[in-house]
Amino acid sequence: EVQLVESGGGLVQPGGSLRLSCAASGFTFSSCWMNWVRQAPGEGLEWVANIKQDGSEKYYVDSVKGRFTISRDNAKNSLFLQMNSLRAEDTAVYYCASSLYGDYSVLQFWGLGTLVTVSS
Amino acid sequence: SYELTQTFSVSVALGQTARISCGGNNIGSKNVHWYQQKAGQAPVLVIYRDTNRPSGIPERFSGSNSGNTATLTISRAQAGDEADYYCQVWGSSTGVFGTGTKVTVL
Repeated sequence: EVQLVESGGGLVQPGGSLRLSCAASGFTFSSCWMNWVRQAPGEGLEWVANIKQDGSEKYYVDSVKGRFTISRDNAKNSLFLQMNSLRAEDTAVYYCASSLYGDYSVLQFWGLGTLVTVSS
Repeated sequence: SYELTQTFSVSVALGQTARISCGGNNIGSKNVHWYQQKAGQAPVLVIYRDTNRPSGIPERFSGSNSGNTATLTISRAQAGDEADYYCQVWGSSTGVFGTGTKVTVL
């Protein structure tokens, strides 16, 4: 059974930092592109970032470029999102999602999400 | 940046057919994926690459894509289909989601 479990969310002040983690199991983690997707309260889904199987390629939505960094540890089946210079508009549930084998564009499996609240 | 537009809400009678549209410039040239998100839950992939159903998704869910509109069709709608539905494509190296459609089963 595929499992994606996010952790690391919480309350942080504007300008602060947070590191999200996603623990993966039940599939060959090192063979899949991985993604972060967020959803602000009462709003729709927003793709945030993704990373290639070996970490050699990373892409970001414009609103987080220069502030967020996606990374992975294939030995530990883990995905990370380092979030710096956080803003109120970054408040959201952050989901980890694995892409379909051989197709980075399909977000096949999703975790339950972790809530990040940016507020003073 | 590429934009996807969806109708805000769709209502369907129990057992009838719901059609959810996703509009984008020449979207027919792109692979479209659809996700179902029930209240308080994580999204679930229901259609990928326009017409393909993942394992475990009922045959009642189908998709099409042509021109400037992609469509998710839910046949014989059930109460359990009530959810928000999002289309998604890949833009220039980034993912793009539609605005979402709330489906209500009457």
